[in-house]
Amino acid sequence: KNEVEQSPQNLTAQEGEFITINCSYSVGISALHWLQQHPGGGIVSLFMLSSGKKKHGRLIATINIQEKHSSLHITASHPRDSAVYICAVRPRLGGGADGLTFGKGTHLIIQP
Amino acid sequence: DAEITQSPRHKITETGRQVTLACHQTWNHNNMFWYRQDLGHGLRLIHYSYGVQDTNKGEVSDGYSVSRSNTEDLPLTLESAASSQTSVYFCASSGQVNTEAFFGQGTRLTVV
Repeated sequence: KNEVEQSPQNLTAQEGEFITINCSYSVGISALHWLQQHPGGGIVSLFMLSSGKKKHGRLIATINIQEKHSSLHITASHPRDSAVYICAVRPRLGGGADGLTFGKGTHLIIQP
Repeated sequence: DAEITQSPRHKITETGRQVTLACHQTWNHNNMFWYRQDLGHGLRLIHYSYGVQDTNKGEVSDGYSVSRSNTEDLPLTLESAASSQTSVYFCASSGQVNTEAFFGQGTRLTVV
């Protein structure tokens, strides 16, 4: 069974700090997604990765396929970055549909 | 702009009633999904569809059904609502495999 583990579960930091959220998974995958969910809000796709690194503004996502690990980094964090960040993977074989398996999320709070 | 919308945003229903949650997307995506989100769990796949007249069961499909009569809509029906189905439901769509997924704003369903 594919397991997706995120760490930390909760993270509180000060504005301006560099933030790292980690995601580990247990099976070979064809793609990994990072999603953002604001309180009471919908879910927004931040990145989809199958290898290497992607950058969008202050957000950077990396993936190491051999290590089965991905990280989401936020540079110069801001209170508006406060949200739940969710890692989701699509197994390489089977799983159904896009077969996305989700982590439980990392609840990030950035204090002014 | 293309979008994916869910309705209603909030619903309270009684145990045993049939309930239908609507999902409508204007991306012209073939793939559509229904997930539920509960505290302590990641998002879990209920049903999905690869195209018109195609429907498939996901991880937690018992008590739910879907139908796909056109590209834009994938309604989710709870045949006989149970308190265990109190949850937040998200609809999502995507184009080709391993492309970005777009999520609706969610429907908060309470079964009393």
